[in-house]
Amino acid sequence: GAGVSQSPSNKVTEKGKDVELRCDPISGHTALYWYRQSLGQGLEFLIYFQGNSAPDKSGLPSDRFSAERTGGSVSTLTIQRTQQEDSAVYLCASTPGAGGEQYFGPGTRLTVT
Amino acid sequence: AQSVAQPEDQVNVAEGNPLTVKCTYSVSGNPYLFWYVQYPNRGLQFLLKYITGDNLVKGSYGFEAEFNKSQTSFHLKKPSALVSDSALYFCAVREGSAGFQKLVFGTGTRLLVSP
Repeated sequence: GAGVSQSPSNKVTEKGKDVELRCDPISGHTALYWYRQSLGQGLEFLIYFQGNSAPDKSGLPSDRFSAERTGGSVSTLTIQRTQQEDSAVYLCASTPGAGGEQYFGPGTRLTVT
Repeated sequence: AQSVAQPEDQVNVAEGNPLTVKCTYSVSGNPYLFWYVQYPNRGLQFLLKYITGDNLVKGSYGFEAEFNKSQTSFHLKKPSALVSDSALYFCAVREGSAGFQKLVFGTGTRLLVSP
């Protein structure tokens, strides 16, 4: 079946603009994660959705970052008033339930100019 | 908090030689450990995991990992490296309570296999 998909694959935006990144998890997966991977760095956890529970937002770096997950499926990560340090690859992952191995999407490469 | 460390930024090995990518962990309780691989311009792919049981875990693409509790290590190994194994490898540990868990990743190790 289809894997995790993310759109757009690449996004270039000007400093100060808002951006929305989309993640379509694997059908039926209840858990969804967002990570950020800066150039040459490891993965930084951002936010985690599990079913209908309140999300774990502990990794969001500032209040400019927010995410929602509608209908328990598609998720959107929104970055307001983008800064150059937001430039990174944003990865989404999903799992069938809590704690299993994660299936990753190809990522969205965000460049803030 | 749970954490993993990957002490090597890069590992170089010749094709056909055995390879080892190191990972050590720091956890409270029983560790749930994972290895992922990232090929250029791709997302991460799951290789293998240790939950419980045999200390030697076999995974995808001929990779295996050895869980060593006394050394708190979970090194990734392959008996004979391929050029196509060149990629970025991440070790990870599961953190959180039942029903609400996430992975904490190491900083990654770049594997370069030369022909």
